[in-house]
Amino acid sequence: SYELTQPLSVSVALGQTARMTCGGNNIGSRSVHWYMQKPGQAPVLVIYRDTNRPSGIPERFSGSNSGNTATLTISRAQSGDEADYYCQVWDTNFAGVFGGGTKLTVL
Amino acid sequence: EMQLVESGGGLVKPGGSLRLSCAASGFSFSVSSINWVRQAPGKGLEWVSSIDPTSNYIYYADSVKGRFTISRDNAKNSLSLQMNSLRVEDTAMYYCVRLAGGNPIYYFDYWGQGTLVTVSS
Repeated sequence: SYELTQPLSVSVALGQTARMTCGGNNIGSRSVHWYMQKPGQAPVLVIYRDTNRPSGIPERFSGSNSGNTATLTISRAQSGDEADYYCQVWDTNFAGVFGGGTKLTVL
Repeated sequence: EMQLVESGGGLVKPGGSLRLSCAASGFSFSVSSINWVRQAPGKGLEWVSSIDPTSNYIYYADSVKGRFTISRDNAKNSLSLQMNSLRVEDTAMYYCVRLAGGNPIYYFDYWGQGTLVTVSS
């Protein structure tokens, strides 16, 4: 089955840009989605189909996908952005596949 | 307002059974595919099962195949997950989630708050 690889943690200074990666074999040929999960809460969709933001998600959140890496970028990082972030694709055997998640810390 | 509300979680012994439910409101449940996604304590997200609007297409993760059964009642806007032969490794928060998109691009656009299942002797 398809595998997604995410770094365990990423740190960013307040107000700077955070970039979180999601690696997979030729992931650029797939559609990648991103979820944010704060402690004790359910995940929330923040990017779908590589680059699209659901309503209510700030423009500071953006996504890209090419080659073997998809990236979630958060501009002007705020303390409220601290959370776990998961990437996700849909496998050919009709199954959801998640990355292991990245913990974002805003310093 | 769209809502997915899970119930039925609790403590069960290994080998036991539990039935989870999910009550949906605020959207057209009968035309939506619904999934279960779980999260073990301190761990990442794991897709569990999917059911299409007509119950004709049902899929399971290998880790639960043969033990879990997903079903739905469109008249009652409800979803169920019958879990049998439970194992310690099934301990997790179980989320009811709406599946969005279209073949082959699917993602989870709305999540319930989850119900906790603990399998322990």
